Amino acid sequence: AQKVTQAQTEISVVEKEDVTLDCVYETRDTTYYLFWYKQPPSGELVFLIRRNSFDEQNEISGRYSWNFQKSTSSFNFTITASQVVDSAVYFCALSEAKGGFKTIFGAGTRLFVKA
Amino acid sequence: DAGITQSPRHKVTETGTPVTLRCHQTENHRYMYWYRQDPGHGLRLIHYSYGVKDTDKGEVSDGYSVSRSKTEDFLLTLESATSSQTSVYFCAIRDEAYYGYTFGSGTRLTVV
Repeated sequence: AQKVTQAQTEISVVEKEDVTLDCVYETRDTTYYLFWYKQPPSGELVFLIRRNSFDEQNEISGRYSWNFQKSTSSFNFTITASQVVDSAVYFCALSEAKGGFKTIFGAGTRLFVKA
Repeated sequence: DAGITQSPRHKVTETGTPVTLRCHQTENHRYMYWYRQDPGHGLRLIHYSYGVKDTDKGEVSDGYSVSRSKTEDFLLTLESATSSQTSVYFCAIRDEAYYGYTFGSGTRLTVV
């Protein structure tokens, strides 16, 4: 069965600190997709990034970076120089790459960035 | 913007009454999903659809049914609402451009 674990329920940092959100997944599929989504206090869910299982290149987008390591089944998300606007719940997710492309989500990590 | 809307945005209903939530999309996406969001559980899949009249169950489908008679509409029905179905419900489409989901704004359902 597929599973996504986000062990950090809540993280609190001060603005400009770097913060890493952990994500560990389990799957028996050889091909799959990994995602991060953001849910700000307004409640909408916003797509941040997708990684394919066969592509372990890390990715950087501005202050955001993602570290995908198949050997440890982890897909961690780092925010550099955090800002108050980064305060949100962040979800890691795992999608099958066939059939209904069903996606399972971790329980989420709530990030508080204090000014 | 995938043009996905949910209605209603908020609803309060009594235990035992039927409730239908609507998800409407404007861009002809094949795959549509219903999730519920509860504290400590993230989002859990209720049902999904892979085409008109083609639906399947997710991990928390008990007490829910769905229908998709047109590509653009995906309906979620609670046949007889219970307090355990108080939740925020999100509809999503799978966007083939980036393989991820685009979500509706959510429906906050309270069963009293």
